[in-house]
Amino acid sequence: RKEVEQDPGPFNVPEGATVAFNCTYSNSASQSFFWYRQDCRKEPKLLMSVYSSGNEDGRFTAQLNRASQYISLLIRDSKLSDSATYLCVVNTNAGKSTFGDGTTLTVKP
Amino acid sequence: DARVTQTPRHKVTEMGQEVTMRCQPILGHNTVFWYRQTMMQGLELLAYFRNRAPLDDSGMPKDRFSAEMPDATLATLKIQPSEPRDSAVYFCASVKSDYSNTGELFFGEGSRLTVL
Repeated sequence: RKEVEQDPGPFNVPEGATVAFNCTYSNSASQSFFWYRQDCRKEPKLLMSVYSSGNEDGRFTAQLNRASQYISLLIRDSKLSDSATYLCVVNTNAGKSTFGDGTTLTVKP
Repeated sequence: DARVTQTPRHKVTEMGQEVTMRCQPILGHNTVFWYRQTMMQGLELLAYFRNRAPLDDSGMPKDRFSAEMPDATLATLKIQPSEPRDSAVYFCASVKSDYSNTGELFFGEGSRLTVL
């Protein structure tokens, strides 16, 4: 079983839709959590950190459930520019950063 | 504008040849990661270093891969001999971190390797 698992998708949604991505992790000692975004053939870039209380950044909301070892990302009012691969990242207490395989989102006009 | 620099950006080589990829982390960043990305495997952690010491290289095929940090400004990933299945994009990332590493990873643009 992989340490970090994501639904690969693809998710194809119309502009303006709300879409949610899920991620589960296996190491209960994991300490910090992030969502990264990767555009085609480019390097991943940080989208947002995920805090225990949940956090929001504009149209993006991240949630963490430590008991279920589950992280989510919600995108509201999808834009064409949101089309990308979204990567879930989990850091252990030893500082190791493990990426999920990513979920591909395509937003269509 | 601080950035992680990777060389070469593209490399085409023949099976059996040695390949060396280099990474210059952001100045002041003490933790460096090497990842490999293919269509089939996603981003796979190969090895990482903190303060130049290797912490985990369990993701790296030991028989042909080696990773080092000769100094704080240079990390290298070497494949010898290379095989077609090594074809992938190799990313280096750096972060300034303490033991727990809660910071943002900054990635280089990647080295795209093709082994014929």
